[in-house]
Formats: sequence, structure tokens, C-alpha cells
Amino acid sequence: AQSVTQPDIHITVSEGASLELRCNYSYGATPYLFWYVQSPGQGLQLLLKYFSGDTLVQGIKGFEAEFKRSQSSFNLRKPSVHWSDAAEYFCAVGANSGYTPLVFGKGTRLSVIA
Amino acid sequence: EPEVTQTPSHQVTQMGQEVILRCVPISNHLYFYWYRQILGQKVEFLVSFYNNEISEKSEIFDDQFSVERPDGSNFTLKIRSTKLEDSAMYFCASSAERTNSPLHFGNGTRLTVT
Repeated sequence: AQSVTQPDIHITVSEGASLELRCNYSYGATPYLFWYVQSPGQGLQLLLKYFSGDTLVQGIKGFEAEFKRSQSSFNLRKPSVHWSDAAEYFCAVGANSGYTPLVFGKGTRLSVIA
Repeated sequence: EPEVTQTPSHQVTQMGQEVILRCVPISNHLYFYWYRQILGQKVEFLVSFYNNEISEKSEIFDDQFSVERPDGSNFTLKIRSTKLEDSAMYFCASSAERTNSPLHFGNGTRLTVT
């Protein structure tokens, strides 16, 4: 069964600073990987996804993530954070063969300070 | 952009009462899901639904839970006799395909059992 670890529960960055949110997964084959964002009182919005091909994927709102098979990681990055990026970020992994439900990490809460 | 809509946004109920959470998935999607998120915890899979029957369900989805697609647009989650530990945010999601297709989530229904 697949699993996801987001080691950072809470991160605080200054507006304009760069951001990297960590995600490590466990899965026996090539996974499908996702990052979702949850703003307060809102649902889960898909930021980006990796299925295959180029390991650096671009998403919405200026986010990108890089799949590194050797490190079982799919870290989310943004070069310059905006105050509106303050939210909860969830990494999720799905199976690329057969079907298993999407498994989420516990999330990383991002705070942005002026 | 098409959205998954959920109603109500907040439901308060007494322990032992039945509740029905409603969802309208994206119209051309065929796969439907319920997830829940207990406050401060990870998003957990409950059930997936396709072709008018349950495809998969988790250990959480016991006999107190049921899902239904009563018409061509709605997808409901019923909890027959609510318990305090059912208090959580419940997310509905839909996808176009079973695999290789991201889930699109609604904004959630916050269920509070008193």
C-alpha cells in the first residue's frame, strides 16, 4: 500500500521568499503524484500532478514540483511566495496500475509574513 | 471551470441522528468519491462509486454509512446514526477516469455532532 509523508507540519516564510514543501512517498512502482492546496474554509484545489514524462511539472499559481525517483520525493516549490499562498498543502499519491484510492499526507500549513 | 458543489457547508446534528450530505459532481465525470478530514488530521478515503455501485471502501466506511446516486446529478453520503467521532469535514470528489485522472474536490461539508 502506498503512503505519503510530509515532514513539516508548519512552515513560515516571508513574502517574496522562496518556498519548498517536502513530500516523500512509499509505493512499489511508479506512482501518480499530486499536490493539492486547501485555503481556509475551502475545498482541495489541484495545484499540479505527475503521471509520467518530464519529472519537473508546472502547476497553477506559479508552483512547480520535481519527481525524484531515487529519493522517493515530490517536493513542491515556488520561487517567490505571495501572502495569498498561505494555506494548507497536501501531497497525495495514487497507483498507476489497477486502482487504489488516493492517499494523502497529513499536510503542511504555510504561513506568510510581511 | 466546472466545479463539484456540496451542500450544506455546515451541518450540526445530535448524536444518534441521521444526516445526509449532498454533492453534485462535475457533469461528465463518472467516478465519485467521499473523503473526510477530522480536524487536524489527514484527509482519509471513505468510498468510491462507479456505475451505481460502490467500487472500493475503507475500514472507516462501516454499516452506518451509505452512498447513493438518486438521480443523474446528485451523489449523497448518509450516516444513519451519527457518533461524536463522525465530526469532520466531508469532501466529495469526482474524476473523469478511474486512473490517470485527478480528483476534483468540492468545498466540503463541516459536520458537527453534539
